[in-house]
Amino acid sequence: GESVGLHLPTLSVQEGDNSIINCAYSNSASDYFIWYKQESGKGPQFIIDIRSNMDKRQGQRVTVLLNKTVKHLSLQIAATQPGDSAVYFCAENIYIQAGTALIFGKGTTLSVSS
Amino acid sequence: NAGVTQTPKFRVLKTGQSMTLLCAQDMNHEYMYWYRQDPGMGLRLIHYSVGEGTTAKGEVPDGYNVSRLKKQNFLLGLESAAPSQTSVYFCASNTPGVAGYTFGSGTRLTVV
Repeated sequence: GESVGLHLPTLSVQEGDNSIINCAYSNSASDYFIWYKQESGKGPQFIIDIRSNMDKRQGQRVTVLLNKTVKHLSLQIAATQPGDSAVYFCAENIYIQAGTALIFGKGTTLSVSS
Repeated sequence: NAGVTQTPKFRVLKTGQSMTLLCAQDMNHEYMYWYRQDPGMGLRLIHYSVGEGTTAKGEVPDGYNVSRLKKQNFLLGLESAAPSQTSVYFCASNTPGVAGYTFGSGTRLTVV
């Protein structure tokens, strides 16, 4: 079946480094993608989103890149901080019946050491 | 605004018992969802609703039922709990034109 997946289950970086988390998706018809951050014991928290008519979108310290040719997403975190330690999920918005839903990848655990 | 509120936060059930998880949202969102999250995995869609009085099956619906009698509430029921339903359950809501989906803080359910 179609799914959204992440390339690496874990990523360890030093404080101050830039982090890049990757995600591959398989549904070429998907037109909306979201990155979520999940801290231990909490629900997913919206970070940034991007629509398929864009290649890049920037937020505060975060950038999402979308390559539709190879169906690849990445999340870049600048000057990574210990508070960025969490599990990061990419999610693909799909059309179902009369609405939409999110399909999640398995997640990448980011560990930031100071 | 409270956003999405889930109750209870924790629950332990014995095999065969039943229970209902409640999700409430105060954002007037049209769509609501129930997901489950197992260790090392992403969230999987159980059931969803695109409006009051409507429900539909997601990826992993077996063993669960849902109801959406009021727009702001989405109930997830387990009629006869099984150990395989031990998981963390998340509710989410969304509406057309609004960026992102809002998630609750989760219900940790253990079935023994």
